[in-house]
Amino acid sequence: GQNIDQPTEMTATEGAIVQINCTYQTSGFNGLFWYQQHAGEAPTFLSYNVLDGLEEKGRFSSFLSRSKGYSYLLLKELQMKDSASYLCAVKDSNYQLIWGAGTKLIIKP
Amino acid sequence: SAVISQKPSRDICQRGTSLTIQCQVDSQVTMMFWYRQQPGQSLTLIATANQGSEATYESGFVIDKFPISRPNLTFSTLTVSNMSPEDSSIYLCSADASGSHSGANVLTFGAGSRLTVL
Repeated sequence: GQNIDQPTEMTATEGAIVQINCTYQTSGFNGLFWYQQHAGEAPTFLSYNVLDGLEEKGRFSSFLSRSKGYSYLLLKELQMKDSASYLCAVKDSNYQLIWGAGTKLIIKP
Repeated sequence: SAVISQKPSRDICQRGTSLTIQCQVDSQVTMMFWYRQQPGQSLTLIATANQGSEATYESGFVIDKFPISRPNLTFSTLTVSNMSPEDSSIYLCSADASGSHSGANVLTFGAGSRLTVL
């Protein structure tokens, strides 16, 4: 079966750095997405990786290793507004999106 | 990227009734998607709605329970029929905002409809 694994919850301190991991086992691979979802709101697109390596976008970076079936989202200089759930999703060989259950990130002052 | 308006944002429904959720996109999109999200769980795709054809349902979801309309390229509805408490969930519509990132089909989501069935 197809599976996306990410930690259920993480806690970090304002101003610090946090890395949210995502491992996947899917039938084929056509890209990996990270979305941010604040409580009670819609998911919003953060990043897309299709090739191995690091994609940097401001305070957020996303890394992909296709051979390891692994990605991480790195958040730097954490702010209270970064408290949200972070969803990892993989597009499989049929271009269907397989979603992880999300990682709830709690930022403490 | 597209902006999606979804309503109702929340509702409390009685067992056995039906509720229709509306989704309006501010631009024309080819495909729209309906998802269900239960607390602490991943997004589950219910169906893909294409204008001018019947919706394509995922395994475990059927048209009689979740009829979908797609009358034009900016609008879709999802009806949750004959509701039971197990249908209590957040229902999200989304649209394919292709072109915003090379090779990526980025989804834009509505804010969701939180249904509670008593």
